[in-house]
Amino acid sequence: TQLLEQSPQFLSIQEGENLTVYCNSSSVFSSLQWYRQEPGEGPVLLVTVVTGGEVKKLKRLTFQFGDARKDSSLHITAAQTGDTGLYLCAGAYSGAGSYQLTFGKGTKLSVIP
Amino acid sequence: NAGVTQTPKFQVLKTGQSMTLQCAQDMNHNSMYWYRQDPGMGLRLIYYSASEGTTDKGEVPNGYNVSRLNKREFSLRLESAAPSQTSVYFCASSDRGQRYYNEQFFGPGTRLTVL
Repeated sequence: TQLLEQSPQFLSIQEGENLTVYCNSSSVFSSLQWYRQEPGEGPVLLVTVVTGGEVKKLKRLTFQFGDARKDSSLHITAAQTGDTGLYLCAGAYSGAGSYQLTFGKGTKLSVIP
Repeated sequence: NAGVTQTPKFQVLKTGQSMTLQCAQDMNHNSMYWYRQDPGMGLRLIYYSASEGTTDKGEVPNGYNVSRLNKREFSLRLESAAPSQTSVYFCASSDRGQRYYNEQFFGPGTRLTVL
């Protein structure tokens, strides 16, 4: 079983602050994805990183895939209340002729006005 | 397009009862998945169907069965519900199950309580 460790588990910050969420594993993944989940809804894909060392930016969100493709980080600049939610990382691995995802346990972010 | 739809949204069962959770997608995706989400445990894969006509076990398949009815529909059945199956169940689909950038689209979830 491929394991992904996310940290921190909970994060409460003031609006305007910066934050970083980490996703680590001892396994190598073919790609890594970040999802955001609002209460009562399913996860929604934010980004996919594929190449070791890759950095992707989505407005105030910056995603990085580690050089060895075992870890990733999500950095949010100047957090807004709309960033509140559960952030999940997911690593893609090959099994039985197709790819599946293994998910981290998530980071619950609360941005306080 | 509705994307991925799930029925029912909420369900309460007594121990030993059976039920089927329905999932349908209108994106012409080949691959479909069932997950459960429990507090502090993240999303865990129950079963998946890489393509129409195939199904495979995921991380936590015990107590569940699945049917890939056609390309659009993938159902999850609990034959004899147990309190340990109280959870939120998510269905997802992907058109890239065969690719390493396996982006998945999720339904809104079914909240199941087993008493």
